[in-house]
Amino acid sequence: NAGVTQTPKFQVLKTGQSMTLQCAQDMNHNSMYWYRQDPGMGLRLIYYSASEGTTDKGEVPNGYNVSRLNKREFSLRLESAAPSQTSVYFCASSEKGQGAGTYEQYFGPGTRLTVT
Amino acid sequence: EDKVVQSPLSLVVHEGDTVTLNCSYEVTNFRSLLWYKQEKKAPTFLFMLTSSGIEKKSGRLSSILDKKELFSILNITATQTGDSAIYLCAVEAPARQLTFGSGTQLTVLP
Repeated sequence: NAGVTQTPKFQVLKTGQSMTLQCAQDMNHNSMYWYRQDPGMGLRLIYYSASEGTTDKGEVPNGYNVSRLNKREFSLRLESAAPSQTSVYFCASSEKGQGAGTYEQYFGPGTRLTVT
Repeated sequence: EDKVVQSPLSLVVHEGDTVTLNCSYEVTNFRSLLWYKQEKKAPTFLFMLTSSGIEKKSGRLSSILDKKELFSILNITATQTGDSAIYLCAVEAPARQLTFGSGTQLTVLP
């Protein structure tokens, strides 16, 4: 049981290049999330997918697109990378809760992206 | 706009000390508050709190929520070097998004 996996672990891009970060979970979770983490700023939600077939913007969606390929996989695409997108990216998944606050998010190991 | 503020931003203690980490929040339609520990990589779940005044406990860690005053504390007693990490507080908003605070960096010296 691998939990949440992310590829690649590290990536260096030049400004203007594109790339896709991959995320997969094997816990049969309905919801998946993409966050970025910058020093001193905690985790900020980029996009999320509450269930297969749906995606919604989070707090910082500009410059990103996502695809919920199936229940297991949720990818994050940078179409034209910018230095401001240098960050650590985390994917997470969770089961749908019942009632108030009955879920937790499980995180992948992260992708460290540098845009020069 | 939902807001989660953690304090202190960083803390350095010696092994055996007791620490208290704070998390205050302003969130529309509060559902739950979660604490995570982040060492080198992915955050790992510690506690979920939904009701005021009920302490959650796991070993030397404990946490409590005050929904009237809109804050939570995370206590760690008899700290060990392995407790060194960033501790993240997050509040669950409607549609099950989490709003995270910026974290408290705890360093425990031997």
